[in-house]
Amino acid sequence: AQTVTQSQPEMSVQEAETVTLSCTYDTSENNYYLFWYKQPPSRQMILVIRQEAYKQQNATENRFSVNFQKAAKSFSLKISDSQLGDTAMYFCAFSRYGGSQGNLIFGKGTKLSVKP
Amino acid sequence: DAMVIQNPRYQVTQFGKPVTLSCSQTLNHNVMYWYQQKSSQAPKLLFHYYDKDFNNEADTPDNFQSRRPNTSFCFLDIRSPGLGDAAMYLCATSRKGNRATEAFFGQGTRLTVV
Repeated sequence: AQTVTQSQPEMSVQEAETVTLSCTYDTSENNYYLFWYKQPPSRQMILVIRQEAYKQQNATENRFSVNFQKAAKSFSLKISDSQLGDTAMYFCAFSRYGGSQGNLIFGKGTKLSVKP
Repeated sequence: DAMVIQNPRYQVTQFGKPVTLSCSQTLNHNVMYWYQQKSSQAPKLLFHYYDKDFNNEADTPDNFQSRRPNTSFCFLDIRSPGLGDAAMYLCATSRKGNRATEAFFGQGTRLTVV
């Protein structure tokens, strides 16, 4: 069975600084998807970034980038130039390749606060 | 805007009284999911529909049922809610197959059991 672990329940960062959220996972599969989802207070969960395990290049979306270490089963999210709107719960998630990408196993989440 | 809509946002039900939560989508996705998210916990998949095919997670209690009458709508039925069923229920959709997509989530329905 797959598991996803986020070891940082809460983090804070000053506006404009950089923060890294950690995620590790366990799976015996070779191909899969990894995601970071953002859940702002009282708003719906939205996708931040997606990584396909068979791609060695780390995914990047504007200020968001990942450090994907397949052998170590590590998938961290770096947020550069943090903004107040980045304040949210961040979930790391795993999905099997070839299945439905919405069939997700989530970590417990990291609550990120961006301070002015 | 195309989206996933859940109604109601807040639902209060009595212990043991059946309750139905609804979800609709305008994305024309072929997969719809229901997740349960208890306070300070990770969302947990209850079941999903791939078109009309129902897929139940092994550890989803029998108390939880789902219906998908058409592509756009999906319902979560809780036959006899207990206090432990109080949670946020998230509906999500995705496309599987050609032009597969990630999951798109609704805002959730927060269920309180009294």
